[in-house]
Amino acid sequence: DIQLTQSPPSVSASVGDKVTITCRASLPINDWLAWYQQKPGKAPRLLIYSASTLQSGVPSRFSGSGSGTDFTLTIKSLQPDDFATYFCQEAKDFPAITFGQGTRLDIK
Amino acid sequence: QVQFVQSGAEVKKPGASVRISCQTSGYTFTNYAIQWMRQAHGLSLEWIGWINPGNGYTQYSERFRDRVTITTDTSATMAYMELSSLKSEDTAIYFCARVRRGSYFDSWGQGSLLTVSS
Repeated sequence: DIQLTQSPPSVSASVGDKVTITCRASLPINDWLAWYQQKPGKAPRLLIYSASTLQSGVPSRFSGSGSGTDFTLTIKSLQPDDFATYFCQEAKDFPAITFGQGTRLDIK
Repeated sequence: QVQFVQSGAEVKKPGASVRISCQTSGYTFTNYAIQWMRQAHGLSLEWIGWINPGNGYTQYSERFRDRVTITTDTSATMAYMELSSLKSEDTAIYFCARVRRGSYFDSWGQGSLLTVSS
């Protein structure tokens, strides 16, 4: 099974900051990676797929990059609505997908 | 718009079975696969199984293969996940989600909390 390791597990930032979250795969997965945002008591929301493609309706301050084993999610100019937990998900062996353990983004 | 509405919270005893439903609307039901996943409190998400409503084809995670059944009712545009031989470790929130671009999940149900306790 492919393992995904996210870092950091948690990060504190202020409104207006830029934040970068990383996701490392245990095996190469080309660009078969997505990023989700989850708020407490809610379902995840798809932000980015195919490593760098912005899902329709997602603000352009979110961006993704990477290929192979190393990927990043960047949020430019944090907004109050962005404080949440972020998960990466690999899809190389769909439907046997794996999620990362999550990165919690808190207000500093 | 696309909507996924799941059935409500359930409390079950160990050894029992549960069926969770997922009512969909706003798109052509048979055109997209549906995946079931779960999330234990404070943890990440885990895949359970997948169904193609167009032909009923299913695939299940090895972890659940011997005790999960996923079905659909295409006339009602509903999906179901039945999990048997419940254990306390099955306590989690269960999600259904639509598969897009072959591998990603763009619409989700709100989640159904299953509590397994004696």
